[in-house]
Amino acid sequence: QVQLQESGPGLVKPSQTLSLTCTVSGGSISSGDYYWSWIRQPPGKGLEWIGYIYYSGSTYYNPSLKSRFTISIDTSKNQFSLKLSSVTAADTAVYFCARRPVDTRLEFQNWFDPWGQGTLVTVSS
Amino acid sequence: DIQMTQSPSTLSASVGDRVTITCRASQSISSWLAWYQQKPGKAPKLLIYKASSLQSGVPSRFSGSGSGTDFTLAISSLQPDDFATYYCQQYNNYPTTFGQGTRLEIK
Repeated sequence: QVQLQESGPGLVKPSQTLSLTCTVSGGSISSGDYYWSWIRQPPGKGLEWIGYIYYSGSTYYNPSLKSRFTISIDTSKNQFSLKLSSVTAADTAVYFCARRPVDTRLEFQNWFDPWGQGTLVTVSS
Repeated sequence: DIQMTQSPSTLSASVGDRVTITCRASQSISSWLAWYQQKPGKAPKLLIYKASSLQSGVPSRFSGSGSGTDFTLAISSLQPDDFATYYCQQYNNYPTTFGQGTRLEIK
């Protein structure tokens, strides 16, 4: 079955750019049936959807977040990535990647399954 | 954004109990609601989608109900593996949003 795995530095300095990659195994990221998503969870807090990307490169971001996020995709490597610029301590969180089915003509399917194990990113000098 | 409010925030129960967790949306979301289970240090696991559809592989003791603004996740007979935090997620409106979580702990 499809598995997702996040990778990237666990410590980022304030004002720098956070970069994470999610590697998909057991299935093709080029499947037109899914979006590839990023979600984060500050320590001890709830879940916040960041955005997702389609294999074509189309991106969708949470408009409630400031536009510091960039999601990209590399179909040749079966990976997608997240960049967050100008980080502050408030961006300290576990960052998850996850798969989201495409909506059908009759139904919304905007749930997330499966998820990667998550990676803790701490913003600190 | 649609606000999702879960209650209670913490629930104490014993193995074998039947428990329910409530999720209320700030406006109608039809049946476009999912439930997740998260254990410490792990990723959330999808349990229920479209308010009442059980995800493949999820035990049948989990069930979901509701529509509009009020939803319920029920666990019919608690097992030791069920003690975790549960989140609801609405996906009727953009952006999708999650509840703040309900921690289910052993009494």
